[in-house]
Amino acid sequence: DARVTQTPRHKVTEMGQEVTMRCQPILGHNTVFWYRQTMMQGLELLAYFRNRAPLDDSGMPKDRFSAEMPDATLATLKIQPSEPRDSAVYFCASGLVTGVAYEQYFGPGTRLTVT
Amino acid sequence: KNQVEQSPQSLIILEGKNCTLQCNYTVSPFSNLRWYKQDTGRGPVSLTIMTFSENTKSNGRYTATLDADTKQSSLHITASQLSDSASYICVVTLMDSSYKLIFGSGTRLLVRP
Repeated sequence: DARVTQTPRHKVTEMGQEVTMRCQPILGHNTVFWYRQTMMQGLELLAYFRNRAPLDDSGMPKDRFSAEMPDATLATLKIQPSEPRDSAVYFCASGLVTGVAYEQYFGPGTRLTVT
Repeated sequence: KNQVEQSPQSLIILEGKNCTLQCNYTVSPFSNLRWYKQDTGRGPVSLTIMTFSENTKSNGRYTATLDADTKQSSLHITASQLSDSASYICVVTLMDSSYKLIFGSGTRLLVRP
């Protein structure tokens, strides 16, 4: 049963520290998405990659957030320096996008708390 | 502006009862509409996907409807179960090369015994 995996599941850090979240997409999927979810804003798209190339990161605060996909089995989202307002659940999702009706499979999320 | 609005924000029903969740969208160009279920502490899981030419689609006790003219969709849950307690999120896909998803804020459903 193929699944998207994310690590860590929970992260508590102090303001100013660097945070790195990792995602392993489902093998064979060509598109990876990073989302942030808060109670106030719901799900927000931060960035996504197709065939490992960044397509859109307009939802991401550029000064502190960065997303990379060093290989087909790993996507990373980094926050440096972290701030309390970054506290949220970060989801990674992957899909095989060949047309508009693609399925998107979400990972379990990383719950980040910045104190 | 591309937006997806859902109502009600939250809903409490008794086990065994039916309920209907609403979704209005102003997304253009529109490709398809999805309903996701998100259990607490988990990622969203897809329930249905409908293109503009489809009026209804079912997945077990879940039935989604779509009116592309009025840009409205509904998700009907029949004979609710305690496991239906979750957030239900309406999502619209853009019909452009990005295939980006526009998310609603969700409806929180609580099914009580």
